[in-house]
Amino acid sequence: EDQVTQSPEALRLQEGESSSLNCSYTVSGLRGLFWYRQDPGKGPEFLFTLYSAGEEKEKERLKATLTKKESFLHITAPKPEDSATYLCAVQANAGGTSYGKLTFGQGTILTVHP
Amino acid sequence: DAGVIQSPRHEVTEMGQEVTLRCKPISGHNSLFWYRQTMMRGLELLIYFNNNVPIDDSGMPEDRFSAKMPNASFSTLKIQPSEPRDSAVYFCASSFWGADTQYFGPGTRLTVL
Repeated sequence: EDQVTQSPEALRLQEGESSSLNCSYTVSGLRGLFWYRQDPGKGPEFLFTLYSAGEEKEKERLKATLTKKESFLHITAPKPEDSATYLCAVQANAGGTSYGKLTFGQGTILTVHP
Repeated sequence: DAGVIQSPRHEVTEMGQEVTLRCKPISGHNSLFWYRQTMMRGLELLIYFNNNVPIDDSGMPEDRFSAKMPNASFSTLKIQPSEPRDSAVYFCASSFWGADTQYFGPGTRLTVL
């Protein structure tokens, strides 16, 4: 069974204080690892997809990296508007009915104080 | 693009009542996913469709839950009868089949009293 564990559960930062969120996963063949951002009262918003170990993707103050066992979401010089819940999900490289399924972690609640 | 549309945004009902949640996927997308989000269990996949056909409903918790997709632009998730433990936020997402990125709607917050 695919599993995703995110840490920490909650992270409080001062504006400008860089940090990283962790996503550890076990999957029977990784097709893709996804990062989503979720604001209160809204649906998850897609950020990145990573496909293979060593891959990195960046968007503004966010950079996602991937190894064979985990992914990191690095936040550089965060601003209060980066406050949100960040969700990690994996998609297995399996055929049949497993195709397209995302397994999500519990998320990390990030709060950035001005 | 309007994105994924869900209705209602909020639903409050009493135990035993029938509840119907609605979803309109992004135009042109041919895969549709229903998720449930709770504090305890996080975001869980309930069922998904490809080209209007249910592919995997193994996440549907009980026979009280059913989902249909009568055409490419509309899907429903029905709970009959509803119970307090069904209280959650229900999300619909859509994508192109074979593409990886799923786009989520704003969700329906269901409260069963």
